[in-house]
Amino acid sequence: AQTVTQSQPEMSVQEAETVTLSCTYDTSESNYYLFWYKQPPSRQMILVIRQEAYKQQNATENRFSVNFQKAAKSFSLKISDSQLGDTAMYFCAFSAGGTSYGKLTFGQGTILTVHP
Amino acid sequence: DTAVSQTPKYLVTQMGNDKSIKCEQNLGHDTMYWYKQDSKKFLKIMFSYNNKELIINETVPNRFSPKSPDKAHLNLHINSLELGDSAVYFCASAGTSGSGTYEQYFGPGTRLTVT
Repeated sequence: AQTVTQSQPEMSVQEAETVTLSCTYDTSESNYYLFWYKQPPSRQMILVIRQEAYKQQNATENRFSVNFQKAAKSFSLKISDSQLGDTAMYFCAFSAGGTSYGKLTFGQGTILTVHP
Repeated sequence: DTAVSQTPKYLVTQMGNDKSIKCEQNLGHDTMYWYKQDSKKFLKIMFSYNNKELIINETVPNRFSPKSPDKAHLNLHINSLELGDSAVYFCASAGTSGSGTYEQYFGPGTRLTVT
């Protein structure tokens, strides 16, 4: 079974600064995907960024980028130029390929607060 | 033009009642899911359907019964509701995008409160 661990229950950052959220996972799968989802107070789960395990290049989406360290089973999210709208709970999630049909296993979440 | 929609968004009911939550996706995905988010915000898979076939049932009580009339719809019926069923229930759908990337998107969630 896969596990996902987010060791930072809460983080805070000043507007315009950079913050990194940590995530580690454990799996014996070789083919898998990793995701970061954002859940603002509206409770909508918003896909922020995805990473395919077979890709060595780290994924980026505008101000969001990941540091994917496959050997260390680490998948951190860096948010650059933080904005007030980034305030939300962030979930790291794992999905195995193959016959698991893509179910997501989530970490415990990190509450991020961006201060003006 | 909502990709994954759920109804209702809020549901308040009494213990012992039976209720249903409906989910629809217009992304053309083959696989749909129900997840439960508890009061501590922890998200856990409940069920997964692939092309109308039940694929994953994660030790959920028999009082919960999913139904998929077609691959665009996945409903969740809950019998004899209990206080512990209070949670946010998310529907999601997953498939391969046009660029070949695996993606999974969530509905807005249904907050169920059992009194």
